[in-house]
Amino acid sequence: RKEVEQDPGPFNVPEGATVAFNCTYSNSASQSFFWYRQDCRKEPKLLMSVYSSGNEDGRFTAQLNRASQYISLLIRDSKLSDSATYLCVVNAQAGTALIFGKGTTLSVSS
Amino acid sequence: GAVVSQHPSWVICKSGTSVKIECRSLDFQATTMFWYRQFPKQSLMLMATSNEGSKATYEQGVEKDKFLINHASLTLSTLTVTSAHPEDSSFYICSARGEGRPETQYFGPGTRLLVL
Repeated sequence: RKEVEQDPGPFNVPEGATVAFNCTYSNSASQSFFWYRQDCRKEPKLLMSVYSSGNEDGRFTAQLNRASQYISLLIRDSKLSDSATYLCVVNAQAGTALIFGKGTTLSVSS
Repeated sequence: GAVVSQHPSWVICKSGTSVKIECRSLDFQATTMFWYRQFPKQSLMLMATSNEGSKATYEQGVEKDKFLINHASLTLSTLTVTSAHPEDSSFYICSARGEGRPETQYFGPGTRLLVL
């Protein structure tokens, strides 16, 4: 079983749509969770951290379910500029390397 | 915010040559740097963890004699791909962790390597 699994997509949605991405992780001792965004041929950039209580940043909402080892990202009112690959990322322990999922590709069209 | 640079941003070389990639933390001291590799449509895969002044720790399946890592200072780590072959063509990305901020890693812009 892979350490971090995501549905690769692609998700093709119109502008204004709401889209949700899911991710599962295998290491129950994982401590930190993130969503990163990666544009084509670029390095990944931190989108947001994910907390057990759930957290929101503008149109983006992230949720963590430790019991199910499940992470989600919800994007509301999709913009063309949201088109990218979204990477689910897990950190087993502070200071160690990040473990990346394969990414979910989102394409928002007008 | 913290900045990490990589040089070169892309390189094309002939099979059999060696390529050195530099990763620099520009405005902070990086006690640990990580080297990742990403093949097309794949996730970033950790190659090795580099701590300043000590030998790098390589992930299973990564040949330490082929991918030489040096972390001689708190702001510079280098990855040398020795005797590169076409299958080494990939996107190499470094990240750096600063002192006192273990939960935060800053990524370099990546180096795209094409071996002909």
